[in-house]
Amino acid sequence: EAGVAQSPRYKIIEKRQSVAFWCNPISGHATLYWYQQILGQGPKLLIQFQNNGVVDDSQLPKDRFSAERLKGVDSTLKIQPAKLEDSAVYLCASSSENQPQHFGDGTRLSIL
Amino acid sequence: AQTVTQSQPEMSVQEAETVTLSCTYDTSESDYYLFWYKQPPSRQMILVIRQEAYKQQNATENRFSVNFQKAAKSFSLKISDSQLGDAAMYFCAYRSGLDSSNTGKLIFGQGTTLQVKP
Repeated sequence: EAGVAQSPRYKIIEKRQSVAFWCNPISGHATLYWYQQILGQGPKLLIQFQNNGVVDDSQLPKDRFSAERLKGVDSTLKIQPAKLEDSAVYLCASSSENQPQHFGDGTRLSIL
Repeated sequence: AQTVTQSQPEMSVQEAETVTLSCTYDTSESDYYLFWYKQPPSRQMILVIRQEAYKQQNATENRFSVNFQKAAKSFSLKISDSQLGDAAMYFCAYRSGLDSSNTGKLIFGQGTTLQVKP
């Protein structure tokens, strides 16, 4: 079984620029999660999708972050404009019903 | 709101010995799940072990076992016969059991970095 795929692995941008991350979940997994992991901290949920609908986006900074999951498969997370505090690893995870979450390798974002 | 606390930022263990990582959590829910995840440097997070709150028996997976104390809201991870490959950051995580599909978000602790000395 192929795992959760994320790209790019690394991204360096300047503040106020925009950036996008892509995630392809495990085939058949209806639930997709985006987590933000700041250095030295545990991951924090940004947004959760069930198929192509949003289940939880209560901690998503909606003034600068957006995410979509068209057709209920792969997903894109965008930041526009980026702030220094957005430097983090962005983890995508997916799961099916009653199963644990599987994580991708993450995208490490550095803001200069 | 639920919280998860790992009070040990770093731990070290000699190869082949046993180490215990601590985790406490706070919740008012009676139905929930607890997890330990391992995150090697620059590599993906993988599930080590999980515990359903309604089960009294502590979960075990090969060299990994937990000590689940529900009343004390404590969930520690014991690694026996430590190996060099066990070196990683370990995260304790909580998931509510309120949704029937069990696809709720994970709430993570701050993590414990485990060093294994040869």
